[in-house]
Amino acid sequence: QELLQESGPGLVKSSQTLSLSCRVLSGSISSGAYYWTWVRQPAGKGLEWIGRIFTNGKTYYNPSLKTRIAISMDTSRNHFTLNMTSVTTADSAVYFCARDRGAGLDFDHWGLGTLVTVSS
Amino acid sequence: QAVVTQEPSVSVSPGGTVTLTCGLRSGSVSPNNYASWYQQTPGQAPRALMYNTKTRSSGVPDRFSGSISGNTAALTITRAQADDECVYSCLLYLGNGIWEFGGGTTLTVL
Repeated sequence: QELLQESGPGLVKSSQTLSLSCRVLSGSISSGAYYWTWVRQPAGKGLEWIGRIFTNGKTYYNPSLKTRIAISMDTSRNHFTLNMTSVTTADSAVYFCARDRGAGLDFDHWGLGTLVTVSS
Repeated sequence: QAVVTQEPSVSVSPGGTVTLTCGLRSGSVSPNNYASWYQQTPGQAPRALMYNTKTRSSGVPDRFSGSISGNTAALTITRAQADDECVYSCLLYLGNGIWEFGGGTTLTVL
């Protein structure tokens, strides 16, 4: 049973803003001590931790991306969002959302991933 | 340049034992890095294997074990099976709420 479901535009033009959403399908996004997390994976490459948002709204970002990204959550719609500005072809990747159990525990649930292609 | 390092590829014989490592470009991995490991087959999302260095995630068989060995975190797989063949990625906590994945190790069982 999937807990998380990503959605996004699929194709974005270079220099534009990418917006991805991750819907939490079971339970409230604001309950528990979870970090709602974004991870990406360019084709044929490794995973990259993008950032996360805690249930109280506090955010943490990958230093290499933090000037271009923002993660937010909408408790009324039970989803969280990644916005990435000024995208380039290097941002083309499969983007996963995941639930981080925090306190050094694991990312126990992952979405299936959504492919984002940035056209030049 | 990546901070977290992994071997690009490793091979093991069926039934054999293999250890994958996860290091830091500068310094040693410690329990405070809360090393975790993820298993990923092509086209699939990662699956959690290990967290907090040596605790198995839910449903993971005891053929998988984690440790810190020397300067690195280690994932050891015993009695290797064909379906262990996939990519293994480690994740380390770097402090200040920041995490980083290693580049992943492709394990071949042959």
